[in-house]
Amino acid sequence: KNQVEQSPQSLIILEGKNCTLQCNYTVSPFSNLRWYKQDTGRGPVSLTIMTFSENTKSNGRYTATLDADTKQSSLHITASQLSDSASYICVVITSGTYKYIFGTGTRLKVLA
Amino acid sequence: GAVVSQHPSRVICKSGTSVKIECRSLDFQATTMFWYRQFPKQSLMLMATSNEGSKATYEQGVEKDKFLINHASLTLSTLTVTSAHPEDSSFYICSASPRGLRTLRSDTQYFGPGTRLTVL
Repeated sequence: KNQVEQSPQSLIILEGKNCTLQCNYTVSPFSNLRWYKQDTGRGPVSLTIMTFSENTKSNGRYTATLDADTKQSSLHITASQLSDSASYICVVITSGTYKYIFGTGTRLKVLA
Repeated sequence: GAVVSQHPSRVICKSGTSVKIECRSLDFQATTMFWYRQFPKQSLMLMATSNEGSKATYEQGVEKDKFLINHASLTLSTLTVTSAHPEDSSFYICSASPRGLRTLRSDTQYFGPGTRLTVL
């Protein structure tokens, strides 16, 4: 069964600190993996897209990694800001049908 | 580019009434549109997939007679919640996949901002 699991479920950090969110998946056939940021009451916004051959991809203070062998991905947020408070969703897309398999999300709260 | 809008952003209705939510791709034509439902502190759950001009494909457990989907054009899909009840209160999100453009990935879903439905 195709599954995407994320940890931790929720996280509270102080402004300026770094944090890393984890994503483990069992999805086949694999096309690419994406991290989304979802502000409360808004739709998801894409942060990074990674294919099988990519190990690391950055988007500003966001850096995603992918280990296709262990089927793990991480999203590292550097120098967190209050505006980073949101849910972060890991999504794995299957090849062929392009079906989106959503993770359970990590709720991040950044405190001043 | 790749902007998807939803209308309304919030709607409150009485139990038993029907509510229509619109999803529009503003700057591209969408081959496929998707409707999701999201409960508090949970991730998105796919309700149905629709292609322009054909009937929507509903996920298991989603009542097609209750959640009517019309994909009338390549830029517009509507979701009508018929005879809404309090348990239908949720956050509804649509997404759209572009039709064969060089500038946009056809394997990508572009998400709308969501519609908060509250049924009293």
